[in-house]
Amino acid sequence: QKEVEQNSGPLSVPEGAIASLNCTYSDRGSQSFFWYRQYSGKSPELIMFIYSNGDKEDGRFTAQLNKASQYVSLLIRDSQPSDSATYLCAVKEAAGNKLTFGGGTRVLVKP
Amino acid sequence: DADVTQTPRNRITKTGKRIMLECSQTKGHDRMYWYRQDPGLGLQLIYYSFDVKDINKGEISDGYSVSRQAQAKFSLSLESAIPNQTALYFCATSDSGLGPDTQYFGPGTRLTVL
Repeated sequence: QKEVEQNSGPLSVPEGAIASLNCTYSDRGSQSFFWYRQYSGKSPELIMFIYSNGDKEDGRFTAQLNKASQYVSLLIRDSQPSDSATYLCAVKEAAGNKLTFGGGTRVLVKP
Repeated sequence: DADVTQTPRNRITKTGKRIMLECSQTKGHDRMYWYRQDPGLGLQLIYYSFDVKDINKGEISDGYSVSRQAQAKFSLSLESAIPNQTALYFCATSDSGLGPDTQYFGPGTRLTVL
């Protein structure tokens, strides 16, 4: 069974600091990777996707992908209290076009 | 107006009852999905449909059934609800013709089975 692993947290960061979240996956053939943010009781919202090795930046968010090591990470720069949420990593299977989600990392940004 | 809607948003039912959760979308996407989420856990795929005539089981389909009535509508049924089906249920859609096939989620249905 294909797996996506995340540290459940909580990851506590002071306001203005960088939050670093990691995700590892087992399906070596996976090509597309997604980060979603989910506030408590709400639906997941897409932050960004990445499919090439290296970094992809979007505002205060940077996704990093290393297919050889099978991990994808998310950096949140200048963290704000509104960034306090659970961040879900999702990996698209090489075959079948389905997403497998990690359990999520809870982030707490303290003023 | 929301692109992906789910009804009802909250539902309390009793063990053994049949219940249907509905999902509608105005995004024009061809693919639709049903997930459940238990407290503190990620999303588990129940069923998915890549077009009106295509229905596929996900990782936890036992006890559930689905119907894709039209491209825009995908419903999930619990034939005989049991307490461990208490969870938050999300519908999602994606467009196979657009880039990475990103999934977009509805607001969720909170289901409680007593």
